[in-house]
Amino acid sequence: AQSVAQPEDQVNVAEGNPLTVKCTYSVSGNPYLFWYVQYPNRGLQFLLKYITGDNLVKGSYGFEAEFNKSQTSFHLKKPSALVSDSALYFCAVRGSYSSASKIIFGSGTRLSIRP
Amino acid sequence: DAGVTQSPTHLIKTRGQQVTLRCSPKSGHDTVSWYQQALGQGPQFIFQYYEEEERQRGNFPDRFSGHQFPNYSSELNVNALLLGDSALYLCASSLGTSNNEQFFGPGTRLTVL
Repeated sequence: AQSVAQPEDQVNVAEGNPLTVKCTYSVSGNPYLFWYVQYPNRGLQFLLKYITGDNLVKGSYGFEAEFNKSQTSFHLKKPSALVSDSALYFCAVRGSYSSASKIIFGSGTRLSIRP
Repeated sequence: DAGVTQSPTHLIKTRGQQVTLRCSPKSGHDTVSWYQQALGQGPQFIFQYYEEEERQRGNFPDRFSGHQFPNYSSELNVNALLLGDSALYLCASSLGTSNNEQFFGPGTRLTVL
């Protein structure tokens, strides 16, 4: 069965410091991985995805994520955090084994950037 | 170019009633997916529509049904509402059913009393 875990409910980082939001997954076949961000009272916004190719994926707003197959992880990173990055972040995964596999979202990590 | 739109933004119903939520996809998109997001949780996949047919379905009872129209817009219907159906209902559109990213609407907040 597919699953995705975001082990941290909340991550607190000072502005200007690097940030990491963790995500691990379990799927059949090769994973298709996504990160989304959700601001208060808004829908989810797409940040980046990994389908195949380079393990380091660059996305919107200066975010990047590193795919690690051996550790089944897809952590979201940013070299220098901004206060405006404060939001709820979701990792999502879909397996490639079956075309009927569904996208599964993690429970979310609340990122708080202090000035 | 309008993004994904949903209506209404808020809705209050009582137990046992029925509700219909509506979604218009982003221009050029032909696939619509519906999600339920309970407070403090990630979105849970309800179902996906493509070419006016339900293509995939999550672990939701038959009380949840949907429809896609020829213009790609979609409706989510929930019958016999339960208190536990209170949530933010998100619609997402994409191009095809492959792994193109989904664009989400702002959601409809449903409260069941």
